[in-house]
Amino acid sequence: GQNIDQPTEMTATEGAIVQINCTYQTSGFNGLFWYQQHAGEAPTFLSYNVLDGLEEKGRFSSFLSRSKGYSYLLLKELQMKDSASYLCAVVNDYKLSFGAGTTVTVRA
Amino acid sequence: DAGVTQSPTHLIKTRGQHVTLRCSPISGHKSVSWYQQVLGQGPQFIFQYYEKEERGRGNFPDRFSARQFPNYSSELNVNALLLGDSALYLCASSYGQGPYNEQFFGPGTRLTVL
Repeated sequence: GQNIDQPTEMTATEGAIVQINCTYQTSGFNGLFWYQQHAGEAPTFLSYNVLDGLEEKGRFSSFLSRSKGYSYLLLKELQMKDSASYLCAVVNDYKLSFGAGTTVTVRA
Repeated sequence: DAGVTQSPTHLIKTRGQHVTLRCSPISGHKSVSWYQQVLGQGPQFIFQYYEKEERGRGNFPDRFSARQFPNYSSELNVNALLLGDSALYLCASSYGQGPYNEQFFGPGTRLTVL
């Protein structure tokens, strides 16, 4: 079975840093994706980790520890447009299994 | 370049009816996957099609079916609609079928069952 957990909501101030944690227990693992989804829109790709360690891409970074079944997405220098749902998804072969998503609200 | 397109954007049906949702993948992409996203939840995998063959199926009843056409576009069919089928249905395309192929999502079809 698949079990992917992430916090439901987080609130932060514009310009701050927020870390969204994701823990997973899955029957297979070929990598972990992070997607951003604004309300009423499609998920858009943020990052992909298949090896342990940190991947940095501009203001967004993602970390993976396969032995701990743990990942986090780090959002730096938060902007109002970063208010969205952030989805953690584990890929096993062809199938993406998503967490329920973390709604991040950025306040001025 | 056009992204993944889906039609219709919104749809309202009543219980017991049938619905067909359509998806056109990014040009050159041969794999299409379908996901159901209930409000407040993450997307749930329904099907993957690659080269016109079903390659994977999620934990959904037989009322859900799909197919992929020679031009790689796809249809998702749902029979005998239930209230619980109300959701955003997302289509995602990728070049290949393997796990390292990034999936690009379409804008979705919002289905409401009354």
